[in-house]
Amino acid sequence: SQKIEQNSEALNIQEGKTATLTCNYTNYSPAYLQWYRQDPGRGPVFLLLIRENEKEKRKERLKVTFDTTLKQSLFHITASQPADSATYLCALVSGGYNKLIFGAGTRLAVHP
Amino acid sequence: GAGVSQSPSNKVTEKGKDVELRCDPISGHTALYWYRQSLGQGLEFLIYFQGNSAPDKSGLPSDRFSAERTGGSVSTLTIQRTQQEDSAVYLCASSLAQDPSYNEQFFGPGTRLTVL
Repeated sequence: SQKIEQNSEALNIQEGKTATLTCNYTNYSPAYLQWYRQDPGRGPVFLLLIRENEKEKRKERLKVTFDTTLKQSLFHITASQPADSATYLCALVSGGYNKLIFGAGTRLAVHP
Repeated sequence: GAGVSQSPSNKVTEKGKDVELRCDPISGHTALYWYRQSLGQGLEFLIYFQGNSAPDKSGLPSDRFSAERTGGSVSTLTIQRTQQEDSAVYLCASSLAQDPSYNEQFFGPGTRLTVL
């Protein structure tokens, strides 16, 4: 069956460290993969998109990698700040269709 | 520029009643999506509208759920004979879909539905 898996346990890190979140998928062949941030009581907000022919994408302190062989994406936040505390969702699109399938998300807590 | 708006923000209803949830997408966005998010869970796809094409209803959990999009803009999600398991946050999103390789979705704040 098709699955998208994100670590269900919260990730607790110290301010200034790099946070790394994992998204694994099975039985999909996504053309691209997206990462969203969701704060409590709010809708998700788009962060980054990475295509299948891209190995890495950066935006300010954010970096996303996409390994289609391992069927995995890693999401990194460098020099993390307490304001980065939120739930981070990965989502993928299979083929050229616009329908996004979301993972359950990983909650990140950055402690001062 | 206005983002995606949803109304009401909160809805409390009694089991068996019908409810209507509204979504106003960003002007010019041809794609509109409805998702459901239960407490502590990820987003569950419900339905997708793209322009004048027939909607993708593959995520609707039962025939009590329906949605329409009038004039390619505002959408209404209707739940008939609500059940307690329908309690969740219902999120709407829209996107520019001309380029399928770039499909950022813009989400509304959601409607929190509580069925007593």
